[in-house]
Amino acid sequence: TQLLEQSPQFLSIQEGENLTVYCNSSSVFSSLQWYRQEPGEGPVLLVTVVTGGEVKKLKRLTFQFGDARKDSSLHITAAQPGDTGLYLCAGDTGNQFYFGTGTSLTVI
Amino acid sequence: IAGITQAPTSQILAAGRRMTLRCTQDMRHNAMYWYRQDLGLGLRLIHYSNTAGTTGKGEVPDGYSVSRANTDDFPLTLASAVPSQTSVYFCASARGDRGHGEQFFGPGTRLTVL
Repeated sequence: TQLLEQSPQFLSIQEGENLTVYCNSSSVFSSLQWYRQEPGEGPVLLVTVVTGGEVKKLKRLTFQFGDARKDSSLHITAAQPGDTGLYLCAGDTGNQFYFGTGTSLTVI
Repeated sequence: IAGITQAPTSQILAAGRRMTLRCTQDMRHNAMYWYRQDLGLGLRLIHYSNTAGTTGKGEVPDGYSVSRANTDDFPLTLASAVPSQTSVYFCASARGDRGHGEQFFGPGTRLTVL
């Protein structure tokens, strides 16, 4: 059983469309991170959210941490081919990070 | 060296053989981690080290061992490889002694056990 479930697992959209990726858990996290991974490379950090209800924006990407600090979402506005990649959320329990199952995004 | 490096890049290994995956960082980070990445399962933590001289077990430690003799190096050893250990292995490091904050990942080692 995965501690963090991401949905959808795969997403293929047209350039210019909007999309939302979800990261859900029944556990509470002290912080949550989002990473992006390109084929053949390691993940790279996009953002860290710490406070329940927190919203962070990174250009066309908007990240939200749930009020109860159990879930998070990533919204991309006007997706571009350069957004293609594997998006991973990771929750900090205080002892270690647990990664989500990943969302593979393809923008065509 | 810039950042975090892993060796080898890829390896094909016969079942039952011993294998050590190497990981070195030059950022003087306290915390280091080993993950395996399998399709549909994301990244799963194998072992971690909060600081030199200490190690801990992650989600999937069985069949693996680690050591942290100094700050820079964190090798992962498979004592007797089995096919279920076929995976892509990532080493990562983080500044804090409990690993809080950004994790920096190496490029990965693709391991196939036959």
